Amino acid sequence: GAVVSQHPSRVICKSGTSVKIECRSLDFQATTMFWYRQFPKQSLMLMATSNEGSKATYEQGVEKDKFLINHASLTLSTLTVTSAHPEDSSFYICSARDPMASGGRTSTDTQYFGPGTRLTVL
Amino acid sequence: GESVGLHLPTLSVQEGDNSIINCAYSNSASDYFIWYKQESGKGPQFIIDIRSNMDKRQGQRVTVLLNKTVKHLSLQIAATQPGDSAVYFCAENWGDTGRRALTFGSGTRLQVQP
Repeated sequence: GAVVSQHPSRVICKSGTSVKIECRSLDFQATTMFWYRQFPKQSLMLMATSNEGSKATYEQGVEKDKFLINHASLTLSTLTVTSAHPEDSSFYICSARDPMASGGRTSTDTQYFGPGTRLTVL
Repeated sequence: GESVGLHLPTLSVQEGDNSIINCAYSNSASDYFIWYKQESGKGPQFIIDIRSNMDKRQGQRVTVLLNKTVKHLSLQIAATQPGDSAVYFCAENWGDTGRRALTFGSGTRLQVQP
């Protein structure tokens, strides 16, 4: 199946600094990628939809100036948490759709998830 | 800091038994549903999906049932194994081509006792 990677897997930073998280589709081209945030023992909450070559679409309540998303190529989307604070500490997960997925086992709506990035802001 | 987390509902089963995990979805316009498995510290892993024009779909050791009348989805795991222990999320998908985002359910923790 399609593989999505994230880097880094874990990052610890001081309050006020910015952190960049990369999401890559390794064996397919993804015109659309998604960024989720997950707090402990909770479900995944969609933050934004990242479209290659255009501006990201943010969910209600997500500050676009704080969570900068860039989808510069068909295989890479980045999420930058600017001026991070302790309340931004969370598990950030990206996903990507494979527009060429076969209609047998999965469809083009299937999202493949990265392994996640654990952000801890001190 | 960390939010105070909700306590996930937990299903405990004996190894070899069948497991049934349930999910109520929210949007009657949803037309595609997926079950994901998430192990601690990892991203969700695709298990099985189903479209709204079906009410049952089988995979290897897993079956998904969809009841659109009551907006209910279930995941059945046959002969549950210790490696099946994880948190399971259902997700629903809807919207036009430009915005096919997933909405996740709250999750169920499956604990398999050896």
